Parts: sequence; structure tokens; C-alpha cells
Amino acid sequence: DAKTTQPPSMDCAEGRAANLPCNHSTISGNEYVYWYRQIHSQGPQYIIHGLKNNETNEMASLIITEDRKSSTLILPHATLRDTAVYYCIDLSLGSARQLTFGSGTQLTVLP
Amino acid sequence: NAGVTQTPKFRVLKTGQSMTLLCAQDMNHEYMYWYRQDPGMGLRLIHYSVGEGTTAKGEVPDGYNVSRLKKQNFLLGLESAAPSQTSVYFCASSYHRTGPLNQPQHFGDGTRLSIL
Repeated sequence: DAKTTQPPSMDCAEGRAANLPCNHSTISGNEYVYWYRQIHSQGPQYIIHGLKNNETNEMASLIITEDRKSSTLILPHATLRDTAVYYCIDLSLGSARQLTFGSGTQLTVLP
Repeated sequence: NAGVTQTPKFRVLKTGQSMTLLCAQDMNHEYMYWYRQDPGMGLRLIHYSVGEGTTAKGEVPDGYNVSRLKKQNFLLGLESAAPSQTSVYFCASSYHRTGPLNQPQHFGDGTRLSIL
């Protein structure tokens, strides 16, 4: 079972920032926070990851609370092409490092 | 640079038939994975490999076999297909843990398999 919890759906107006929350209630010290998204009928796409500090790349920003129990993915200027299911994952760097996907958040960007 | 390529993209089988799904990656990744995704659900790990010649079971391995004879290829086999195996199958790859430890998995675009 997935260890993270996310709202099932969110809407965002095109051009506005999309803020997607995630709760990591059971995250351990050696687990990274990863975010992926899946656009309809495509394979999952990596977005960003972090351990303790906030992170930013060309796609998004990741805010992780000090206690690491929650994170927020920020798409600064959402476009219609950002409509997708977004998954947050706690990834342990163990022997397999397999991803455990929950149900995710369906983000719909509205024109 | 093709990344992760899955073949075929679509397939329809009859119950009891066998087939092999092929995953190829050109990024020199050590780790490779096979997942399945059923409608409205997240991905579930079937089998994975941490290097050439090694495989291991994931969360839902029953009814599937895998082989990793070459580093760049990871094969998923269905010996006797069942309707419950109707799903979308995704392959992924990533670096070895002694390389960049936190490098992400890269996914193919999936194989849509229907078992009648």
C-alpha cells in the first residue's frame, strides 16, 4: 500500500500556480520525496525530488516541511499540458528502490 | 537517445496463449523494472532486476516470468495468459545504487495488453 496521501482531484486556472499537497505521515529519515506525473495514456514522468531542503528545477518547485511529514509540489504557471495525475512517493534507497504509486491527484488545468 | 522503448505497444491475446514483452534502454542503467497498471489504480511492481543476469520478485509476480540476459534488455513473459492479466504494462530503468543514488526511474510509454 502507498504510504502517502493526496487529494483525489484539483483544478487550476491556466497561467496560475498549481499547488499540490502530499502527506508523508510515515516517512523515515533515509527516504526521499519524489514526485511523478502521468499524462493520459503515457508512462509516468519524473518531475522532482528532495530529502530535506526545498528544491527547484525547470519543471517545478518542491517544498518540504521541516518535520518532513508533508510536501507541496508547485507548478508556477500551469498550462493545459500540465493536466495529469500527480503522484508523490516516499522512496527508500534500499536494494530495489521500487516506486510504490498510490492513487495520486488528478490535476485539471482549466482554460 | 531513445530512452526506454517497449514493444509491442498493443496486443490482444486469447486465454492460454503465451507472449513476451520487450523492454530496451539505451542509458546504461543497471536497474530495470516491470510494473502493471490497472484502470484507476497506481502502478504495481511485478519483477525487477538490479543487474545483468539477476531478477527478483516484486509485489505481484504470479503468472509472470522475466529474464535479463543483456544489460539493456528486460523481458517479461506470460506463459499462459489469463483475463486477469489484462492491463497496461510499464517498463522502467534507473542507475545502480552505487552510482548517483537518487537518480529517478525513467519509464517507457507502456504496452496495452488485452486477454480475451
